[in-house]
Amino acid sequence: GEDVEQSLFLSVREGDSSVINCTYTDSSSTYLYWYKQEPGAGLQLLTYIFSNMDMKQDQRLTVLLNKKDKHLSLRIADTQTGDSAIYFCAEKRTGANNLFFGTGTRLTVIP
Amino acid sequence: KAGVTQTPRYLIKTRGQQVTLSCSPISGHRSVSWYQQTPGQGLQFLFEYFSETQRNKGNFPGRFSGRQFSNSRSEMNVSTLELGDSALYLCASSLGPGRTSRETQYFGPGTRLLVL
Repeated sequence: GEDVEQSLFLSVREGDSSVINCTYTDSSSTYLYWYKQEPGAGLQLLTYIFSNMDMKQDQRLTVLLNKKDKHLSLRIADTQTGDSAIYFCAEKRTGANNLFFGTGTRLTVIP
Repeated sequence: KAGVTQTPRYLIKTRGQQVTLSCSPISGHRSVSWYQQTPGQGLQFLFEYFSETQRNKGNFPGRFSGRQFSNSRSEMNVSTLELGDSALYLCASSLGPGRTSRETQYFGPGTRLLVL
């Protein structure tokens, strides 16, 4: 399909790991991104992964990429209350300069 | 390095009016993109400018326009405002075209527009 898909909501307990999933559309997308949006704020770039990689780790964040299934995930280890926000995945499709965003996943961290 | 700045942060207008939003990119960034964020439609691409030229345009009516200045600052204009134009307008900057790593976009805080 045309849409980048994400689950709308995720709740986790503080200290647990969070896994946010995304299904993108273009198997030849070059870069895939994760952005975080806190209430009333813009988008903060968290991390990105190049399409020839399977995994990227950056401190508490781990990105996994399954190109065959066009599936991207973001794992947040030791989730904190400050991680409560909306998380967007985005793809940069071949031939397009702009990003295509998912619907966003609202992560709620329960103390 | 300062981030992307957008002015104003909040704006209230009435139907039929026009509005101009401003974006200053990160120093050294020459590409500016604009996105509209609404609860119903999510994040949608408006247009992208590089070297004062529009490189790409999303699927929005002609009431939405933009421009970029020689210092890479950009403005977008919405004429004849409609209630449905109420949204968060986000500006993003990147180094510019070339290797894909140069095109990583960094977003500003947005301008929240309310049309009454």
